[in-house]
Amino acid sequence: DIQMTQSPSSLSASVGDRVTITCRATQTISSYLNWYQQKLGKAPKLLIYAASSLQRGVPSRFSGSGSGTDFTLTISSLQPEDFATYFCQQTYSTLPFTFGGGTKVEIK
Amino acid sequence: QVQLQESGPGLVKPSQTLSLTCNVSGGSITSGDYYWSWIRQPPGKGLEWIGYIYYSGSTNYNPSLKSRVTISVDTSKNQFSLKLSSVTAADAAVYYCARVGGGYGVNYFDYWGQGTLVTVSS
Repeated sequence: DIQMTQSPSSLSASVGDRVTITCRATQTISSYLNWYQQKLGKAPKLLIYAASSLQRGVPSRFSGSGSGTDFTLTISSLQPEDFATYFCQQTYSTLPFTFGGGTKVEIK
Repeated sequence: QVQLQESGPGLVKPSQTLSLTCNVSGGSITSGDYYWSWIRQPPGKGLEWIGYIYYSGSTNYNPSLKSRVTISVDTSKNQFSLKLSSVTAADAAVYYCARVGGGYGVNYFDYWGQGTLVTVSS
């Protein structure tokens, strides 16, 4: 299986901060990398697909980059509603689909 | 707007079979553009993909669960189902159903159910 490692596992930030979360795969996954946001008690919500494509309706302060094994999710200016846990997911052709362990973004 | 809703028992005894159904509304499960998937999340932990099904009945499962998992589809009811046999405490989790969108090799889970908590206990 392709393992996905996210860092950091948690971070504290203030409203307005620029936040960066990284995700690394144990083998190349091209650009088959998605990012999800999960708030407490809710289902995950798709933010970014194919490494850098913004899902419809997602604010433009979210962006994704990377290819191969290293990927980044950036929130350009953190808003109060962005405090949540973020997961990366690889959907490369070799099943199973796997998720990163998550990054919890907390209020500083 | 597509909506998915999980249903099924919230409590399953060890060694028994967990059975859940996902009802899809706002779109047809027979749309050839999508797969339909199950994902689970133990309390306070990460996400695990269980498997997916195409409306034709074609399936793919996570190898770690393959021997115990069956996903089926009922197109007449616009729903799909999960069965997980021989459950243990390790199978206790919130179970989500989701639509797999994309195309040309790109896959992503764009619509999710709200999730249903399954506890394993005698």
